[in-house]
Amino acid sequence: NAGVMQNPRHLVRRRGQEARLRCSPMKGHSHVYWYRQLPEEGLKFMVYLQKENIIDESGMPKERFSAEFPKEGPSILRIQQVVRGDSAAYFCASSPQRQGYFFGPGTRLTVL
Amino acid sequence: GQQVMQIPQYQHVQEGEDFTTYCNSSTTLSNIQWYKQRPGGHPVFLIQLVKSGEVKKQKRLTFQFGEAKKNSSLHITATQTTDVGTYFCAGDNLQGGSEKLVFGKGMKLTVNP
Repeated sequence: NAGVMQNPRHLVRRRGQEARLRCSPMKGHSHVYWYRQLPEEGLKFMVYLQKENIIDESGMPKERFSAEFPKEGPSILRIQQVVRGDSAAYFCASSPQRQGYFFGPGTRLTVL
Repeated sequence: GQQVMQIPQYQHVQEGEDFTTYCNSSTTLSNIQWYKQRPGGHPVFLIQLVKSGEVKKQKRLTFQFGEAKKNSSLHITATQTTDVGTYFCAGDNLQGGSEKLVFGKGMKLTVNP
C-alpha cells in the first residue's frame, strides 16, 4: 500500500507563472488536506477536500489559489501568477475519517 | 479562530536527559494528535489522544491529554540523538464545524551527544 504521493518534489517557477501541485492519497482514504509550511514555521491549513467536493477552504487565499479533488485522478493545488511569497513547502495529507493524517513528502516551491 | 500553542519553541538537551514539552489549545478539543518532522522531511503521525486524562506511551515517549481536553504534554526520557526533529501537536475541534487539524508552531529539539 503506497503512501501519500506528491509530485513534483521540487518546483521552480518565475514570478507570474503557474504552479500545479499534485497529490495522490493513500488507497482507501477519501479525505485530502493541503498545508503550507514556511521555513522554521508550523503547518498552516489551506484546504480540505473529499472526492469532487471542497469541504473547507478557509485557509486558502481567495485570489490565485484553487484546489480540486476530481472523481478520478489526484488532488491538485493550483497557484496562478506566483509571487515570491508563495515560496514554501506544500504538504498534502490524507486520512481515514477522524484519525491521524498521513503526509506526503511535500512539494518545495521556489519562486524566482 | 482556534489556536494551538506549543512551549517551548526550542529545546536543546544533553543526550540522556529527560524533558517535557507542552501544548495548549484556546478551545476544547475532541482529540489531540502529535507529529514528528525530521529536518528536511515531512510530518509523521505519532499518536492520537481522545479521552480526558488519557495517557499513552510509546517506548521513551509519554503523551498525556489534559482533563479539560484543552492541553497536552509530551515527555521524553533518556533523550537520544535519533529524537532530533520538530514535534507538532495538532487539535481537532469538531465543534468548529470542520474536521481539519490546527497545528501548533512546533517544538524544535536538538540533542547534544
